[in-house]
Amino acid sequence: DTGVSQDPRHKITKRGQNVTFRCDPISEHNRLYWYRQTLGQGPEFLTYFQNEAQLEKSRLLSDRFSAERPKGSFSTLEIQRTEQGDSAMYLCASSLSSGEISSEQYFGPGTRLTVT
Amino acid sequence: AQKITQTQPGMFVQEKEAVTLDCTYDTSDPSYGLFWYKQPSSGEMIFLIYQGSYDQQNATEGRYSLNFQKARKSANLVISASQLGDSAMYFCAMRGSIGSQGNLIFGKGTKLSVKP
Repeated sequence: DTGVSQDPRHKITKRGQNVTFRCDPISEHNRLYWYRQTLGQGPEFLTYFQNEAQLEKSRLLSDRFSAERPKGSFSTLEIQRTEQGDSAMYLCASSLSSGEISSEQYFGPGTRLTVT
Repeated sequence: AQKITQTQPGMFVQEKEAVTLDCTYDTSDPSYGLFWYKQPSSGEMIFLIYQGSYDQQNATEGRYSLNFQKARKSANLVISASQLGDSAMYFCAMRGSIGSQGNLIFGKGTKLSVKP
């Protein structure tokens, strides 16, 4: 078990460019979450997958954001036409779909995006 | 709506002493879970401890314990015998039983600094 991995760890892009991040969850986990964390704040929920189905999207996820999880394995988060306000740490987490409130989410190391 | 409040932006503690990090929450869910995560400067969120709303006893995990006062809606984290490696951001989080699909709601965090 290698834990949740994210790639890249850091991304610097110019405003208006598109960026894509990847998350590889723990292999047997069927739930996958994306969060965004800005400086001085706690993580904020963006979206959630159970297997390949995207079941919930936060209002924070504007039309410029899209996430996929083909075949229920890794996930990608794409931001189109990036804005300076998109600068943040993007965290991915995975968990087992046990239906229990106590089900722990395991987080990856995050991708830090800087939009210049 | 669910909300987590952490009122201490920063805390200092002497090495080997105990420290309490405050967390209050607001929810109308009849059943919910409370989590504490540690985030070192490397960025990864590390799960520390969990408390269920119907648990009869306060949770403990090694040097971490949770002072859960349901009537006051507080879930304070107590770290005993602080170590230099405990210096990090600490986040309190909550998951409800209704409508949240399992995503966590985080507070703004407390930055703990352990002094030698």
